[in-house]
Amino acid sequence: QQQVKQSPQSLIVQKGGIPIINCAYENTAFDYFPWYQQFPGKGPALLIAIRPDVSEKKEGRFTISFNKSAKQFSLHIMDSQPGDSATYFCALYSSASKIIFGSGTRLSIRP
Amino acid sequence: DVKVTQSSRYLVKRTGEKVFLECVQDMDHENMFWYRQDPGLGLRLIYFSYDVKMKEKGDIPEGYSVSREKKERFSLILESASTNQTSMYLCASSPGEDSPLHFGNGTRLTVT
Repeated sequence: QQQVKQSPQSLIVQKGGIPIINCAYENTAFDYFPWYQQFPGKGPALLIAIRPDVSEKKEGRFTISFNKSAKQFSLHIMDSQPGDSATYFCALYSSASKIIFGSGTRLSIRP
Repeated sequence: DVKVTQSSRYLVKRTGEKVFLECVQDMDHENMFWYRQDPGLGLRLIYFSYDVKMKEKGDIPEGYSVSREKKERFSLILESASTNQTSMYLCASSPGEDSPLHFGNGTRLTVT
């Protein structure tokens, strides 16, 4: 049962651009919204996370925007660099057992 | 830093073989998880465990079983490997609810 839709599937951006990755979910039973970053040959690692009581969270060049009424949250990467090239996954937590991942976005930052 | 270690990076097994994937974490985490990762499908939960000897089915448990005899070790078992179980398998641990998952680097299993 797919409860989160992640888009786009892949994205190519020039260095310095602002890639945006979106996730939309179907119900409101989630209380933690993390983004994971995965480099080739490695497991995913937590990048940034937000709870539904705030609309935006920024950590360095990475920002999560959260729209509770629209049931959407997005990852923005400011001043993107080639080292940001990776696969990004959004996730939804309703409890430790109900961690649902998006299908992933393969991001490539061109020099 | 939390370290989650998966015993094999690559495995090649034959159809019908019993396959064991091992995972060890060194941070005394309560929760451990097994996911499989396939292109376009993201990460899908196979099984998870909240405590020693406790296990719960995830979204795709068919064809798999797990074992957690010690807190730090969580094993995934393919009772009779099939070609549709060719995939990347990721183990993860977390200290509790609403906590980040810490992943291992994965085991790429090929069943021929």
